[in-house]
Amino acid sequence: GENVEQHPSTLSVQEGDSAVIKCTYSDSASNYFPWYKQELGKGPQLIIDIRSNVGEKKDQRIAVTLNKTAKHFSLHITETQPEDSAVYFCAAKKNYGQNFVFGPGTRLSVLP
Amino acid sequence: EPEVTQTPSHQVTQMGQEVILRCVPISNHLYFYWYRQILGQKVEFLVSFYNNEISEKSEIFDDQFSVERPDGSNFTLKIRSTKLEDSAMYFCARTRAGGNYEQYFGPGTRLTVT
Repeated sequence: GENVEQHPSTLSVQEGDSAVIKCTYSDSASNYFPWYKQELGKGPQLIIDIRSNVGEKKDQRIAVTLNKTAKHFSLHITETQPEDSAVYFCAAKKNYGQNFVFGPGTRLSVLP
Repeated sequence: EPEVTQTPSHQVTQMGQEVILRCVPISNHLYFYWYRQILGQKVEFLVSFYNNEISEKSEIFDDQFSVERPDGSNFTLKIRSTKLEDSAMYFCARTRAGGNYEQYFGPGTRLTVT
C-alpha cells in the first residue's frame, strides 16, 4: 500500500523567512496530493493541493511542487508569519478510491 | 468552505461501552469519511461512505466499527465496545459533488476511553 514520509518533523524559522516541507510517496499510482494545516485543537484545514498532471501550483504565499519521477512533493511558504505556526500534513490519494494516506506531520514554528 | 458540524466535541466513556459520534454534513456533499488521529500522531483513514454505502474501509475499521446515515442527514460512526486504544480525535470529512478530490474536515470529536 501507499506510504507517505514527511521531513522535517519540526521546523523553526524566523518571521519573514521561507519554510519548505518535503514529502515522498511510494505508490506511483497516486494522483492527488493535498496539504493540510492543523492548529491546536482543530481539524485539518486544506490549504493547497496539486494533481499529478501539474508540476507546480501557487496560491499567494503558499506553493506546492511535484516531481512524479522522484515521487516527492514539497510545500513552500514564503514570508512566514507567526500565524503560520501549526502542524502541516501532506497526503496522497491513489487514482482509484477516495481515501488519503497522510504523512506524519511537520510542526512549524515561526519565531517573531 | 463551510465545515461540517461534529457532536459531541468531547466524549468520555468507559472501556467496553458503545459510543456514537455524529457528523452533520452539507446536503450537496457526496462522499463522507471518518478519520482518526491518536494524540501526536498522523491522521489515519477509517472508512468512506458513498450513496449510503461503505465504499472503502481500512484495516483499522474492524467489526467493532460501523457507519450509517440513519435519517439521510447525520452521518454516524459507532464503536460497539470501546477499548483504551480507541482514545483519539475522530474527524468527519466530506467531498462535494462534482468529481473533485478535495476533502474538508470537521472540527473533530475527542474520544477518551477510561
